[in-house]
Amino acid sequence: GQQLNQSPQSMFIQEGEDVSMNCTSSSIFNTWLWYKQDPGEGPVLLIALYKAGELTSNGRLTAQFGITRKDSFLNISASIPSDVGIYFCAGQPPLLTSGTYKYIFGTGTRLKVLA
Amino acid sequence: DAGVTQSPTHLIKTRGQHVTLRCSPISGHKSVSWYQQVLGQGPQFIFQYYEKEERGRGNFPDRFSARQFPNYSSELNVNALLLGDSALYLCASSLGQGMNTGELFFGEGSRLTVL
Repeated sequence: GQQLNQSPQSMFIQEGEDVSMNCTSSSIFNTWLWYKQDPGEGPVLLIALYKAGELTSNGRLTAQFGITRKDSFLNISASIPSDVGIYFCAGQPPLLTSGTYKYIFGTGTRLKVLA
Repeated sequence: DAGVTQSPTHLIKTRGQHVTLRCSPISGHKSVSWYQQVLGQGPQFIFQYYEKEERGRGNFPDRFSARQFPNYSSELNVNALLLGDSALYLCASSLGQGMNTGELFFGEGSRLTVL
């Protein structure tokens, strides 16, 4: 199935470090969502982005809607052990392109934090 | 307030059987979407329903069907199960469809194992 390119695929970091990950596509999107998923659970919405260039924060998390509308970025500052999990981006293509209000998810970034 | 609730949480079926998965959206949400998440991958779009009508369908065979009821709850049905249908089936509800109302809130999922 169709998935967005997300990088890095996985990362090990020390507690207290900052984390950056991104999601890229060859197509444009109208909305970007960022999720965190813990093992055996459903994804939890972290941040929603609606306009190109938009920068939105949620606590230690900051996400940006790329100016080209083809990418998005998520930063986590001062990581803590509970940040461990899999982070997914999800982009919603224009209705005229997809014909439906679906979201296309990224391949995921697996984050491990070393105390 | 209750979040998205899904049932059953886990189930085991054999090839050829059928399965029905159920979802109750967040109160006030009128849209329900279904996603399939295979181990190690991001969720894949299956269906979207809004106001009890199918508004979108992903690239899944006709063995997959769904419906939304007047109270906005939803069922996903899969017939003639194959081994490859083993996955976490996620239900997501949203207030509406478009910008600023299309944020997806996921349930914990139904873990289907096909033997």
